[in-house]
Amino acid sequence: GESVGLHLPTLSVQEGDNSIINCAYSNSASDYFIWYKQESGKGPQFIIDIRSNMDKRQGQRVTVLLNKTVKHLSLQIAATQPGDSAVYFCAERSGGSYIPTFGRGTSLIVHP
Amino acid sequence: GAVVSQHPSRVICKSGTSVKIECRSLDFQATTMFWYRQFPKQSLMLMATSNEGSKATYEQGVEKDKFLINHASLTLSTLTVTSAHPEDSSFYICSAKEGQGNTIYFGEGSWLTVV
Repeated sequence: GESVGLHLPTLSVQEGDNSIINCAYSNSASDYFIWYKQESGKGPQFIIDIRSNMDKRQGQRVTVLLNKTVKHLSLQIAATQPGDSAVYFCAERSGGSYIPTFGRGTSLIVHP
Repeated sequence: GAVVSQHPSRVICKSGTSVKIECRSLDFQATTMFWYRQFPKQSLMLMATSNEGSKATYEQGVEKDKFLINHASLTLSTLTVTSAHPEDSSFYICSAKEGQGNTIYFGEGSWLTVV
């Protein structure tokens, strides 16, 4: 079946470096994508979203890039901080559904 | 921003007993709430979608008689795990959608341990 997946299960970076977390999706009908951050023992927190008619969206220290040609999504975190350590999930919605389908998740570890 | 609260945050129950988890939208009316289950180091798995005043829609493979969902008001949905077994131990997360909006807000999750 169609799914949303991630390339890297764990990403370790040094504090201050930029982090890039990748996500591949297979549902060509996906038209809305969301990145969530989940800290240990907590629920997911919305970080940033992007619609399929865009290829880039920036927030505070975060940028999401969407490449529909290869069905690839990435989350870039600038000047990564120890507080950014968490599991990051990409999620997609399609066909007017408001229910996000979550990918596998990437654990980001930031070393001070 | 909107807040979704879950209670209890942690619960331990004996095998064979039932346990109820509450999900409340604190500052908005949630016509639709969702229940997820998450095992350690895994992604969130949607269990069911709950609409206020109607029966929940369960995902394939989720036993509706075991995971009872009630959405009796616009601010409260409950998940009752009946006759709990150790394999039901998991992190249960709810989320809520505000009215006609598209944004979904997540609760902080509830850890269930069945001993």
